[in-house]
Amino acid sequence: QQQVKQSPQSLIVQKGGISIINCAYENTAFDYFPWYQQFPGKGPALLIAIRPDVSEKKEGRFTISFNKSAKQFSLHIMDSQPGDSATYFCAAVPALTGGGNKLTFGTGTQLKVEL
Amino acid sequence: DGGITQSPKYLFRKEGQNVTLSCEQNLNHDAMYWYRQDPGQGLRLIYYSQIVNDFQKGDIAEGYSVSREKKESFPLTVTSAQKNPTAFYLCASSYSGTRSSYNEQFFGPGTRLTVL
Repeated sequence: QQQVKQSPQSLIVQKGGISIINCAYENTAFDYFPWYQQFPGKGPALLIAIRPDVSEKKEGRFTISFNKSAKQFSLHIMDSQPGDSATYFCAAVPALTGGGNKLTFGTGTQLKVEL
Repeated sequence: DGGITQSPKYLFRKEGQNVTLSCEQNLNHDAMYWYRQDPGQGLRLIYYSQIVNDFQKGDIAEGYSVSREKKESFPLTVTSAQKNPTAFYLCASSYSGTRSSYNEQFFGPGTRLTVL
């Protein structure tokens, strides 16, 4: 059972365009939502993260939008660049109850930014 | 340099053999994790450890075993009982979580295991 659903599976965007990746969750115990970026042959790295008490968080060209009532969140990459070409994973973490930082990942989106 | 190292980068195994993947960190993190990554399935948690000499099963622990004898090391053994072991394996570490904060997980470069 996939607890965090991510779409699309792949995405092609022109340089300078906006890349949008969507995620949805069902478990209301999740209370922290990070996005990870992974380049081929490398481990994922934290890109940006949000808590459900805010509806939007922006860091440079990357923005997370969060809709708590719909249990959905999305990553927007403004002015997409070829160097942004990577696989992006959304994730969710439950409120800490002694279970550690257990990440539940979405299935990933392969982004390609074309010139 | 501080970080997480995984070795080897590529590993080939014959069916029926056990194999151990290495993970070492010098970030002074308490918690360590093992994930398996398959195309189209994201990352799935195999085992995690929040403290030395203690570890818990993740979502897909069957056919795997771990040990945590040192804070810096968290080796993963893929046993012959694992039905489909070919995958990309990622190790991560973090400070232990508290009720008031999430602690970022830092990932190693991964080991690609292929069963021949």
